[in-house]
Amino acid sequence: AQSVTQLGSHVSVSEGALVLLRCNYSSSVPPYLFWYVQYPNQGLQLLLKYTSAATLVKGINGFEAEFKKSETSFHLTKPSAHMSDAAEYFCAVSVGGSQGNLIFGKGTKLSVKP
Amino acid sequence: EPEVTQTPSHQVTQMGQEVILRCVPISNHLYFYWYRQILGQKVEFLVSFYNNEISEKSEIFDDQFSVERPDGSNFTLKIRSTKLEDSAMYFCASSDWTSGSGETQYFGPGTRLLVL
Repeated sequence: AQSVTQLGSHVSVSEGALVLLRCNYSSSVPPYLFWYVQYPNQGLQLLLKYTSAATLVKGINGFEAEFKKSETSFHLTKPSAHMSDAAEYFCAVSVGGSQGNLIFGKGTKLSVKP
Repeated sequence: EPEVTQTPSHQVTQMGQEVILRCVPISNHLYFYWYRQILGQKVEFLVSFYNNEISEKSEIFDDQFSVERPDGSNFTLKIRSTKLEDSAMYFCASSDWTSGSGETQYFGPGTRLLVL
């Protein structure tokens, strides 16, 4: 069965510092992988997705993620954090192909200090 | 940019009452989903819907839950007799397979349901 593990429920970085949010997945078939962001009192917004094309995926707001099959990882990074990046970030894997339901990780809340 | 909308944004109800949560998916989308997020927990899949029938449902989606697309625009989730543990944020999502970007599910802002 597919699953997603996000290491660290809360990550705090200084403005301008590197952001690294970790996600490991378990899947018996090639997965579709997603990162969603949730700002306070808002819905889930897609940051980026991996669908078996390039292993380095670039998303919105300067975020990117690298699919590493050997490590079953899909970590999210941003070179320089901005105050507006403070939000909760969810990694998700798609089950059963492209129309399958999403299985989410528990989320990582990112805080950015001035 | 088209977006998924949900109403109401907040709903408070008494245990045992029926609630209907409403969603308007993006207009040309064909696949619809409901997820829920209990406070402090992960987002969980409830049900997917395509071509006017349920495609897949989780074990959470028991007989107390039902979904409907009553017209060409709305997609509803009904809970027949709410329990305290139904208190959660409920998200609707939609996706469009035919555009080639069917893997992306677009989420609404959610309905926060509180059962007292």
